[in-house]
Formats: sequence, structure tokens, C-alpha cells
Amino acid sequence: DTAVSQTPKYLVTQMGNDKSIKCEQNLGHDTMYWYKQDSKKFLKIMFSYNNKELIINETVPNRFSPKSPDKAHLNLHINSLELGDSAVYFCASKSQGRQFFGPGTRLTVL
Amino acid sequence: EDQVTQSPEALRLQEGESSSLNCSYTVSGLRGLFWYRQDPGKGPEFLFTLYSAGEEKEKERLKATLTKKESFLHITAPKPEDSATYLCAVQANRLGGGSYIPTFGRGTSLIVHP
Repeated sequence: DTAVSQTPKYLVTQMGNDKSIKCEQNLGHDTMYWYKQDSKKFLKIMFSYNNKELIINETVPNRFSPKSPDKAHLNLHINSLELGDSAVYFCASKSQGRQFFGPGTRLTVL
Repeated sequence: EDQVTQSPEALRLQEGESSSLNCSYTVSGLRGLFWYRQDPGKGPEFLFTLYSAGEEKEKERLKATLTKKESFLHITAPKPEDSATYLCAVQANRLGGGSYIPTFGRGTSLIVHP
């Protein structure tokens, strides 16, 4: 069984559109993250949720809004997409410091 | 601000040629240093956690060590299947308490030639 899953795997869209990425973990972890990985492979944390409460927001534009309907799901909604949003987005869950990453969503904004 | 610097940025080895990757960090209140492996098109995969200076962990051809300022990932007699990007991350206390922020380095891209 997949521990952390994300959909879609690839997302190609036009500037100005709104899109969502879904994430689910079946590990029972309380903490989940969203990361952005740029073209140089740098992983930058965007959000962290602990048991459905947002606890970190690292200067991410407010066009990005995480939503957690329950502690197994952490979705990422992006409004008014810009060219610079093109990247790979990873969801992860955490237990005792160790993180379990999803397969990533490659977002391309044209 | 927490800083994590990995070197070299890229490393090419011949099969069987041992080497080490470096992760230097500057944090206040280290609560763990983590090594991950990332294959192309996939998410990072956990390798090791180190918590205190002097600690060592091993897994197959990999050995991770930790000092108060840096960590090394030693690769002994590497094989082509060890080719990947290796990421280092630290988890530290925030000033004034609060939640931990994981901070990643930019990674070392390792290629092992047969």
C-alpha cells in the first residue's frame, strides 16, 4: 500500500488558472508538510499541518492555501497561477522526525 | 536562521571508488540531522537520523557520522545503483520554542560509473 500519495502526478496549466493538488497518507501521522522543489532540486518547506492545524507558513504567497479536511489529507490549492510557480510539489508526513514523501506533482505553468 | 550546506554539489565515482559527502550545518538547538536519497522523478526516501555528536549509523554501503558542525555520508565501494541525489536536512528548535522547521540542503548529485 502506498504510504503517501499525491494526485495528479503531472499538471500543465495556463497562467492565471486555479488548480489543486491532493495528498493523502495512510500512516496515521499527525504532521504533514507541503514542499516546493525548484529546478535545482532545492526543497523548500511551504506549510506544515499538525493534526489539522496550520503551524508553519514560510512566507508563501497567499495565492497558496492548504486545506486539511482530516489528519490523513492535506490538499494544496493555488489561485492565479504564475510562471514562477512551475516546480515539483511534494507532500510529506512525519513521525519522530523522519519524513515520508509522496511521489511529487510536477506543475508546469505556461 | 538555520543553514545547511552540502558539498560537493556533484560527484562522479567509478564503481568501487569510496568517497564521502559533506553536510555542514549552523543551527541553534539541533533536534536531529537526517539523510535522504532522491531518485529522479521520485520523492526523497529516508536513510538515517543522527541526534548527537559522535553518533554513527550504517546501512549496506552507506555510513553516516555526525559532529557538532557537520555530518558525513561515507559510501564504501559504491555501485551504479547508488547513483542518486543525497539530501541532508536538519530539524532544530525555533527561537522562543514552538514547532520544528525541517531545513534541507541543496543536495549532492552522485553518479557511479560501472
